[in-house]
Amino acid sequence: GAVVSQHPSWVICKSGTSVKIECRSLDFQATTMFWYRQFPKQSLMLMATSNEGSKATYEQGVEKDKFLINHASLTLSTLTVTSAHPEDSSFYICSAARTPPYNEQFFGPGTRLTVL
Amino acid sequence: AQSVTQPDIHITVSEGASLELRCNYSYGATPYLFWYVQSPGQGLQLLLKYFSGDTLVQGIKGFEAEFKRSQSSFNLRKPSVHWSDAAEYFCAVGGGNNDMRFGAGTRLTVKP
Repeated sequence: GAVVSQHPSWVICKSGTSVKIECRSLDFQATTMFWYRQFPKQSLMLMATSNEGSKATYEQGVEKDKFLINHASLTLSTLTVTSAHPEDSSFYICSAARTPPYNEQFFGPGTRLTVL
Repeated sequence: AQSVTQPDIHITVSEGASLELRCNYSYGATPYLFWYVQSPGQGLQLLLKYFSGDTLVQGIKGFEAEFKRSQSSFNLRKPSVHWSDAAEYFCAVGGGNNDMRFGAGTRLTVKP
């Protein structure tokens, strides 16, 4: 149980276009979902936390207008990278948490974004 | 705020040798501690976790970790490393609000 999927697994886009990444909890309801970014050979950096039905909370330094997060249901969160540029190329990983008292995040397989 | 330190950026061990990866955390209350492994281009795989109870935790693939509150440590160990264990290892600490922070990671190389 506690499987999280991401789609697409990889995407290549042209500079200036927008890309949407989906994160789904397949067998549980996720009250909270998280989006991380990982540069090559680096650790995961939390970008934002989203709770179903409310606005996402962004970490300091993350542009909320560039990285749009929507958590419309208890099983789906989306990250849209707007007007993507080459510096947005990265590995994006989502995770989902069930209703407390569970204190564990379940991670998706990641999405590799390459912006040309 | 919680934080995690993995002092070793890169470790090389011979196949069959024992392994210990260090992790130190900072957290004001009882932490929830995790070890993940990541192969190149892949997502995270949970090796083991500590929430409470027995401080020696057994995980998958023959890994174990010991929670030592007095040292604020949660070191990962394996008695005999296999070539397939070569990967990046991340220690993470979480709190009651589902927040989680990751260490910088330790890259493990296994020599034949």
